[in-house]
Amino acid sequence: DVKVTQSSRYLVKRTGEKVFLECVQDMDHENMFWYRQDPGLGLRLIYFSYDVKMKEKGDIPEGYSVSREKKERFSLILESASTNQTSMYLCASEQGASYGYTFGSGTRLTVV
Amino acid sequence: SQQGEEDPQALSIQEGENATMNCSYKTSINNLQWYRQNSGRGLVHLILIRSNEREKHSGRLRVTLDTSKKSSSLLITASRAADTASYFCATSGLSGTYKYIFGTGTRLKVLA
Repeated sequence: DVKVTQSSRYLVKRTGEKVFLECVQDMDHENMFWYRQDPGLGLRLIYFSYDVKMKEKGDIPEGYSVSREKKERFSLILESASTNQTSMYLCASEQGASYGYTFGSGTRLTVV
Repeated sequence: SQQGEEDPQALSIQEGENATMNCSYKTSINNLQWYRQNSGRGLVHLILIRSNEREKHSGRLRVTLDTSKKSSSLLITASRAADTASYFCATSGLSGTYKYIFGTGTRLKVLA
């Protein structure tokens, strides 16, 4: 089975810190995605990548950046964490369009 | 931009009963998928139905798609306590982009 691994299940960071969320997939998937999930708002796409060093903005990219230096790893960076970035962050990968996502277990980030 | 809207928002049934959840969307789609999320975890892909399909089965799951009404339903037959979770639909648009748009989900509780 494809595995998508997010480095942390729970994370607490201080306002203004630079935060790195790591995601690794082990099945050579082309496409990788970062979503955040908030109560009442569902999942919202932050960034996605369909190839190494390629990235595209999703619906809510402000305050975030991403890095994809290797095919298996897609990192989400909070340049200067703020309390409104407290959320559940979900990474996903997909073999190609229309195959369905494989999600990681999520990282619950709290910014204090 | 939210594409899918699940209905009902919450559903509580007895073990052994069938559970039906609905998803409505706004624009034409390439395919529609259903995912399950157990509390505090990542999403698990359940089933994908393409725009030229009307019905699909997978074990105790049955998905229908009515593109004329822009709606889909997920039926879980003979429900079990382990089916307790949130269920999300996600749609892929015609433009061929890699990203899916998720609804806000239906919270299903199956009482033993």
